[in-house]
Amino acid sequence: DAGVTQSPTHLIKTRGQQVTLRCSPKSGHDTVSWYQQALGQGPQFIFQYYEEEERQRGNFPDRFSGHQFPNYSSELNVNALWLGDSALYLCASSLGGTISRTQYFGPGTRLLVL
Amino acid sequence: AQTVTQSQPEMSVQEAETVTLSCTYDTSESNYYLFWYKQPPSRQMILVIRQEAYKQQNATENRFSVNFQKAAKSFSLKISDSQLGDTAMYFCAFIPLLGGSQGNLIFGKGTKLSVKP
Repeated sequence: DAGVTQSPTHLIKTRGQQVTLRCSPKSGHDTVSWYQQALGQGPQFIFQYYEEEERQRGNFPDRFSGHQFPNYSSELNVNALWLGDSALYLCASSLGGTISRTQYFGPGTRLLVL
Repeated sequence: AQTVTQSQPEMSVQEAETVTLSCTYDTSESNYYLFWYKQPPSRQMILVIRQEAYKQQNATENRFSVNFQKAAKSFSLKISDSQLGDTAMYFCAFIPLLGGSQGNLIFGKGTKLSVKP
C-alpha cells in the first residue's frame, strides 16, 4: 500500500521564477492538503483540494495556486517566487467524505529560492 | 484565532525513562480532533496518536498516551520507555470539524525531543 509521494525532493529556483510541486495521495484517499513549513516552525496550511476543487484556503497570497486531477493527485504552483518562499512543502492526504480527518503526510519537497 | 501552543522548544530524556510533552490550544469550536505528529530528522511527518474531542477516555498507542483535558484545552503527550528512535520534533495539532477552518490542521511550533543513551 503506497503512502503519500511527492516530487521532486529538492528544488532550487531564483527570485521571480515559477515552480510546480507534485503529490500523489495514499491509496484510497481523495483529499489533498498542502502545507508550508519554514525552518524551525510548524507547518502552515496553504489549501485543500477535494473533488478537483479548492475546498479550504489558508492565509496565502494568490501566487500560490493548485490543482487536483481526476486520479486525486495534486499540484502546487507558486509564481513570482520570493526568498521567503524557501521552505519545506508538505502534502497530506485524507478521506474527505469520512469523519476520521486523519491526514497522512508525504516526505516533502525542499524549495530553496536564491 | 485558533492557535496551538507548545511551551517547551526542546526537551531531553534518558533512554528507557518517561517524558511528557505539553500542548495547549485555543478554539471556540466544540467538535475537533487532536493529534501528535512526529518528524524525525529525515523529515517525514508521522502520526503518533489521535484524540477525538468528544471522547473522555484518553487515547493510547503502545508507549504513547495522552492526557486530554478539554476544559483546560490541554493535550499532553507521554512517552514511556523512551527509545533512541523517539528522537524527533513533535508537533501538536488540531483540526476543527466545523467552522471556517474545518478540514485543515493547525500546528504548534513543535518540541524537539532528544533521547540520550
